Amino acid sequence: QLQLQESGPGLVKPSETLSLTCTVSGGSISSGNYYWGWIRQPPGKGLEWIGSINYSGSTVYNPSLNSRVTISVDTSKNQFSLKLSSVTATDTAVYYCARVALYSPFDYWGQGTLATVSS
Amino acid sequence: EVVMTQSPATLSVSPGEGATLSCRASQSVSSNLAWYQQKPGQAPRLLIYGASTRATGIPARFSGSGSGTEFTLTISSLQSEDFAVYYCQQYNNWVTFGGGTKVEIK
Repeated sequence: QLQLQESGPGLVKPSETLSLTCTVSGGSISSGNYYWGWIRQPPGKGLEWIGSINYSGSTVYNPSLNSRVTISVDTSKNQFSLKLSSVTATDTAVYYCARVALYSPFDYWGQGTLATVSS
Repeated sequence: EVVMTQSPATLSVSPGEGATLSCRASQSVSSNLAWYQQKPGQAPRLLIYGASTRATGIPARFSGSGSGTEFTLTISSLQSEDFAVYYCQQYNNWVTFGGGTKVEIK
């Protein structure tokens, strides 16, 4: 059974960079025609797609966040990572990682991790 | 950006009754539409993809319909575990989610 697990600091200072990692177990991040994505959800609000990456490093980003987002992949560790720069309080959210195929929905999700932006 | 609009924002339903949730896209997304269920403190769970195909393990009381810009999720007879927030998502043009419909106990 495929499992995804987010990890990273729960508290980030304003203007700094939020960094999170998603570790994939029960399957290889390099197998199949899959992308691996990040989605966030501010407290009490809806879902926002941040971006996705495949095993070879090809990325697609939400245009509204494109200038601040970098997603990378480490196939040797079966992990992919998110960096969001110049954060403000509006970036406070639960961040989820998930698996997706092209023109398909997100079918496997991590449990999510809360990242709070505060001084 | 394709804007997804869900209605109503909140739906009050008695157990055993049916529920109909709507999702509208600002432009055609063909049948590239999914529905998710989210309970408090949990990640979303995929219910429906391709507008009408149930995901693995999803009960038959959940059904989806529509194409283009108008979509519907129907729950035929609400069970206690179905009270949750439901999101639609289009994956035809990048990825966008609707604002959600909360299905609460009446």
